[in-house]
Amino acid sequence: AQKITQTQPGMFVQEKEAVTLDCTYDTSDPSYGLFWYKQPSSGEMIFLIYQGSYDQQNATEGRYSLNFQKARKSANLVISASQLGDSAMYFCAMREGWGTGANSKLTFGKGITLSVRP
Amino acid sequence: DAGVIQSPRHEVTEMGQEVTLRCKPISGHDYLFWYRQTMMRGLELLIYFNNNVPIDDSGMPEDRFSAKMPNASFSTLKIQPSEPRDSAVYFCASRTREDTQYFGPGTRLTVL
Repeated sequence: AQKITQTQPGMFVQEKEAVTLDCTYDTSDPSYGLFWYKQPSSGEMIFLIYQGSYDQQNATEGRYSLNFQKARKSANLVISASQLGDSAMYFCAMREGWGTGANSKLTFGKGITLSVRP
Repeated sequence: DAGVIQSPRHEVTEMGQEVTLRCKPISGHDYLFWYRQTMMRGLELLIYFNNNVPIDDSGMPEDRFSAKMPNASFSTLKIQPSEPRDSAVYFCASRTREDTQYFGPGTRLTVL
């Protein structure tokens, strides 16, 4: 079974509107971290935001927020006030054993392409 | 602060040649990861090190690939001999034990 699922093939949003990128995950480990990365057309992988499984509040970083629904095992990325520069591929990732010092790897989803229309 | 540094940024070589990719992790980071990204297979973890020791190399595709980390500030990924199917973007990333993982800019490898 896939540990990280990103099923939206491609998303379009109008500039200045908000957009939600979906991510569901699968783990039996009670300690884990969830991450979102952005990959623009230039190719670099840019860290955006993370959420720990024990965090009580949803993570926020500027225009990015993470809608964390633990019971549903979803960690959707919300981008508010979209900008043209937000056009990119977005990857959701999970690291099990987060906070326990476990030597575990990041597992990535297949990514979602977001296009912002002017 | 300097991020993860990779060199070269672009490499074009001919089939059969040896290719060496280089990475300098963020200072103080004791985990280092090598990834490969292709359209077909997405982002694949090849190998990772902790305190310069290889921990998991199960993602290394075959014996033509090798990776070393002789010290805390330098790692190499070598492909010998290279093949056209090795064409991809190779990323290096680093982190501390409980920190976020940060990626380098990647090396775009083309094997003709």
